[in-house]
Amino acid sequence: QKEVEQNSGPLSVPEGAIASLNCTYSDRGSQSFFWYRQYSGKSPELIMSIYSNGDKEDGRFTAQLNKASQYVSLLIRDSQPSDSATYLCAVKGVTGGGNKLTFGTGTQLKVEL
Amino acid sequence: DAGITQSPRHKVTETGTPVTLRCHQTENHRYMYWYRQDPGHGLRLIHYSYGVKDTDKGEVSDGYSVSRSKTEDFLLTLESATSSQTSVYFCAISPAGTNADTQYFGPGTRLTVL
Repeated sequence: QKEVEQNSGPLSVPEGAIASLNCTYSDRGSQSFFWYRQYSGKSPELIMSIYSNGDKEDGRFTAQLNKASQYVSLLIRDSQPSDSATYLCAVKGVTGGGNKLTFGTGTQLKVEL
Repeated sequence: DAGITQSPRHKVTETGTPVTLRCHQTENHRYMYWYRQDPGHGLRLIHYSYGVKDTDKGEVSDGYSVSRSKTEDFLLTLESATSSQTSVYFCAISPAGTNADTQYFGPGTRLTVL
């Protein structure tokens, strides 16, 4: 079982719709969770971090964390073609030091006109 | 862009040759990381550093070594490059303070080993 799992997609949504991206993780003691966006040929760009159960909103983005069920999700409201990218989920586990993150393989999002 | 540069940005080399990739940061961050990114595997940690001369292995460290003699530079060396090391390499940093576990990435180096 992978430590951080994401559906590879592609996830296709029409412009203006809500895109929902999901991520599950195996380390039950994980405390820090991150979403990155990566355009093709570019480096990952931090969108949001979340540390507590519940929702965290930042503009059109909402991160949701449920530690009991070991999943974290990212909602993108009013999706735009410019949101088309691969979204990476990252988790900081309990074991090991150095602020190490474990990344999922990413979900490709396509926002269609 | 968190003040991170990587050099070279692209490199083609031959099997068996040594290769050194450089990550340079301008903001005195303590933590620096090297990742490789491959289709189907995502980002995997190679090595990381938590200070000058302080480094540790990540999950895919075999065939790689690192050095950090100055705060601003973190070098990744492939002693004898193999075709399996063809990949995109990203450097990352963690800032100090309340966001110390957040990582910001450099622009990447695309390495091809023939």
